[in-house]
Amino acid sequence: DGGITQSPKYLFRKEGQNVTLSCEQNLNHDAMYWYRQDPGQGLRLIYYSQIVNDFQKGDIAEGYSVSREKKESFPLTVTSAQKNPTAFYLCASTPDFLHREQFFGPGTRLTVL
Amino acid sequence: KNQVEQSPQSLIILEGKNCTLQCNYTVSPFSNLRWYKQDTGRGPVSLTIMTFSENTKSNGRYTATLDADTKQSSLHITASQLSDSASYICVVSARGNNRLAFGKGNQVVVIP
Repeated sequence: DGGITQSPKYLFRKEGQNVTLSCEQNLNHDAMYWYRQDPGQGLRLIYYSQIVNDFQKGDIAEGYSVSREKKESFPLTVTSAQKNPTAFYLCASTPDFLHREQFFGPGTRLTVL
Repeated sequence: KNQVEQSPQSLIILEGKNCTLQCNYTVSPFSNLRWYKQDTGRGPVSLTIMTFSENTKSNGRYTATLDADTKQSSLHITASQLSDSASYICVVSARGNNRLAFGKGNQVVVIP
């Protein structure tokens, strides 16, 4: 069963704590992306990775960090420096960086208490 | 200013009726435009893709149109079903740039 998985589906965090969101894909895609979705707003790009061991900042990278040690995995860490982290986080992948149809995971809803 | 504007922001329609969603964009040079369907609490799923030379494309009860001259696209839903209740997102990409411009979505609620 090919696809993108994100875990957990719901995540609660206390203020001041770091938290890591998981994203795994078995589509053999080179490129992976993290987006943030807030009510009434379009998706905003946080980080993207064109290939293993490479990643670039998107439009709203402050307060977030990523790693891409394996092709199939692109975890996102929400640090305590992110001032307003409560949101719906979506991971996506594409076969290569120039391929424009993005395949999305099911999302993780992060709530900061 | 957002490069992709969608209207209406939300609408409620009776089951079995048709509806049309609008997407206006300023992205240039234009490469392609996609419509995604996003169910509540889920990831978006691609419905259609339109390139510069295409005027219309269908996917079941969904029909997308594109007017590249006026930079407008529409998504028409025919004979709506309860399962059509979702947010429909217009996504536009520019030629030579893999960055995508996302609209805020049209929230559709189908009622029996």
